[in-house]
Amino acid sequence: GENVEQHPSTLSVQEGDSAVIKCTYSDSASNYFPWYKQELGKRPQLIIDIRSNVGEKKDQRIAVTLNKTAKHFSLHITETQPEDSAVYFCAANKGSQGNLIFGKGTKLSVKP
Amino acid sequence: DTAVSQTPKYLVTQMGNDKSIKCEQNLGHDTMYWYKQDSKKFLKIMFSYNNKELIINETVPNRFSPKSPDKAHLNLHINSLELGDSAVYFCASSQEGQARSPLHFGNGTRLTVT
Repeated sequence: GENVEQHPSTLSVQEGDSAVIKCTYSDSASNYFPWYKQELGKRPQLIIDIRSNVGEKKDQRIAVTLNKTAKHFSLHITETQPEDSAVYFCAANKGSQGNLIFGKGTKLSVKP
Repeated sequence: DTAVSQTPKYLVTQMGNDKSIKCEQNLGHDTMYWYKQDSKKFLKIMFSYNNKELIINETVPNRFSPKSPDKAHLNLHINSLELGDSAVYFCASSQEGQARSPLHFGNGTRLTVT
């Protein structure tokens, strides 16, 4: 079955620095890769997603890259701000139409 | 307006009791879900319903029974609660299946079993 590995589990950066979170997946049929942000005590919220027909997608300070051959995708946050502090989850769908399998999360701390 | 609302927000109960969590979405979505987030923050799907019909039932004990009276509601009933059931339970919805459209989560129900 699909397995999604996420690294690192914790990440601490200074405000203004960049942060990168990496995920790998095992199912070659996966074609949808969303990223969710969960602030402390709040619900997960989608911040960006990418489909397998593109290699990169950007939305202001956030970008996601996908390498289908290597089966890995990454979240890049530039010019980090304290409000970026949260747990970030990657996910991949199991099979082309299956349910999402989430990574174990990365706790990002941005220090002012 | 809260798009996906679930009640109660907190639920504290003793082992062996039966409890229910309610969920409603006003987004007009066809698919609804229940997710469990344990103390280590792992998010795992429990159930998925499309237009009132069960389409995914992961390896969840049959003490957990979802009920969907209409496509805007998906309630979760739990029988004979155990200590290991303590977690945050999130309801979610999406326009289409998870592979095609984003999930909209409710604010969660923190269940504590003592």
